[in-house]
Amino acid sequence: DAGVIQSPRHEVTEMGQEVTLRCKPISGHDYLFWYRQTMMRGLELLIYFNNNVPIDDSGMPEDRFSAKMPNASFSTLKIQPSEPRDSAVYFCASTRGQGTEQYFGPGTRLTVT
Amino acid sequence: AQSVAQPEDQVNVAEGNPLTVKCTYSVSGNPYLFWYVQYPNRGLQFLLKYITGDNLVKGSYGFEAEFNKSQTSFHLKKPSALVSDSALYFCAVRDYGNNRLAFGKGNQVVVIP
Repeated sequence: DAGVIQSPRHEVTEMGQEVTLRCKPISGHDYLFWYRQTMMRGLELLIYFNNNVPIDDSGMPEDRFSAKMPNASFSTLKIQPSEPRDSAVYFCASTRGQGTEQYFGPGTRLTVT
Repeated sequence: AQSVAQPEDQVNVAEGNPLTVKCTYSVSGNPYLFWYVQYPNRGLQFLLKYITGDNLVKGSYGFEAEFNKSQTSFHLKKPSALVSDSALYFCAVRDYGNNRLAFGKGNQVVVIP
């Protein structure tokens, strides 16, 4: 299996622009997670899905952030409008079932200038 | 809510010496505990987990961890550290009833040749 795939790997954008991050989970996994990693705040869970349904979005920082999972093999995290404080590495992870280890993608490094 | 504490920011150890990375947790029910490793510019990689059973858990790359319920700890250990073990190590805990993982802030391990 190719593992969790994320695109783009790097994104540089200007403040106010819309940013869309993409994730393809491992085939057969029914949970998908979006995390954000910064030096100041560490690794934060933003939202997670089970069978394409959002289960917990309490970590989504503001209404500027939204996430969708239209099918079992694709998810997006959108930031509109983006701000410099959104600069971070965003990870997607997936797993099958509860209590099992999560498999992380390589991350998207977002820089908002 | 579940939480994890990793008290040390950085752990320095000489190559060939034993390596220990400390983790304590707080959870309302029986814990599901995990260790992950992150190399520079990479996603997190799963090392090992404790769900139930033997308190000593063996994982990838020669790592092991000891679950201690009375001390609410789950320290990561390796008998003989390698330079290639230099990385960022995360402890995580999952509470029963949901699939959220709470991650610690991470420990930077530096193995000195």
